[in-house]
This record gives sequence, C-alpha cells and structure tokens, in this order.
Amino acid sequence: EPEVTQTPSHQVTQMGQEVILRCVPISNHLYFYWYRQILGQKVEFLVSFYNNEISEKSEIFDDQFSVERPDGSNFTLKIRSTKLEDSAMYFCASILTSGGRGTEAFFGQGTRLTVV
Amino acid sequence: LAKTTQPISMDSYEGQEVNITCSHNNIATNDYITWYQQFPSQGPRFIIQGYKTKVTNEVASLFIPADRKSSTLSLPRVSLSDTAVYYCLVGEGLTGGGNKLTFGTGTQLKVEL
Repeated sequence: EPEVTQTPSHQVTQMGQEVILRCVPISNHLYFYWYRQILGQKVEFLVSFYNNEISEKSEIFDDQFSVERPDGSNFTLKIRSTKLEDSAMYFCASILTSGGRGTEAFFGQGTRLTVV
Repeated sequence: LAKTTQPISMDSYEGQEVNITCSHNNIATNDYITWYQQFPSQGPRFIIQGYKTKVTNEVASLFIPADRKSSTLSLPRVSLSDTAVYYCLVGEGLTGGGNKLTFGTGTQLKVEL
C-alpha cells in the first residue's frame, strides 16, 4: 500500500534554531498538506500546497513557516526560528483529487518536534 | 465547512458492535462525510467515506439517513486494537487544491476485555 513517509520521526531543537521537516507524499498525488497536533489537542491545519504554490494557509502559518517542494518528490516544512510553543507532532498528508469521492487524505506517521 | 458534533468518549468491550453518531445539521448538498481514526502518536487514517444511504468496507459501515443531518460509523466486533480517536469530517473537495480537513475533538473509543 502506498504511504506518506516523514523524516525525522523525532527532532529536538533549541529555541531560535531553524528546523526542516521532510515528507515524501504518495507519488501520483497532487495536493499536499501540513498539519500539527500539540499534545492532547486537536489536529490543526497549517497549509495546503498545489501546483507548486500555497493554496491555503491558517493563521498559525505565519512568516516563521515556509513550505517547499524542491525536487518533485520531497515536500518540506521549514520553521525559521523555533519557539517553545512550536513543540508538537507535525503531520504531512497528501490527496489525489480535489473534489467529491476519493478525497481521502493519506497521512504520514509524523515528526515529533521538541523545542527546548 | 459543516460543523460536526460527536460524543467525546465511548467505552466498549471486545466483540461488541460500536456505533458512533455524528451530527452535521448544516451539511451542504455537495458535502461528503468522512471518518478518520487516530492512534496515539500516529497520523489520522482514513476509514470510510459516504454521501448517502449505507457504505460498507472491510473495516466499518457508514449509515447516512435520507436527510443527511447525521451519520453513524459502525465498527463490528471491536477489539482492543480499535481503541483510538475517531473523527467525523464533513466537506467537499474545493477547487484550486483546497480540501482542507478540519478536525474536531473526535470521539475517544476505549475498548476493554
């Protein structure tokens, strides 16, 4: 079964440092997403990406965040200067189609980011 | 996106059938109903999706009444490994690469021996 893979599984970083979280979406999918989940809280949408550009972003996704699909397979989330409150599980997801049936999202296993 | 309401938690025993109901009173004509499952420290996993009546797959059944204002996820003969959070989501695919999924708090299902 195809799957979304994320690396690393766990990252510890010091406050103020930059981190890059990496994802390899399912190869024929067209829409890519980052979500985060703070421990014990809801899964929150961060950003969606289609046709090599951001299609929607949440208020969480401020100037500290950026996404990129540098080589047609990897999809990265960069946090420029991490804060303690950025500590969370970050999930990458991909979807094949844009409408109606078949819009199930495939999520990766997540990267646990711990900012100290 | 239609707002959903589902119970915060449910308890069951192994071998029982579990039915989790979700209310979505303002569901739109083009909206589909989708359920996801999430285990601790893992990403959500798609379970089932439907538009109306009944949908069944190897994991679950989804019952949707004619007015579509609610839906019920049915898990037959649950086991300990079905202990997870179950999310009901309602929405349609948006043009231009939307499809943002809005997760609520979900239903924490706990299955015991």
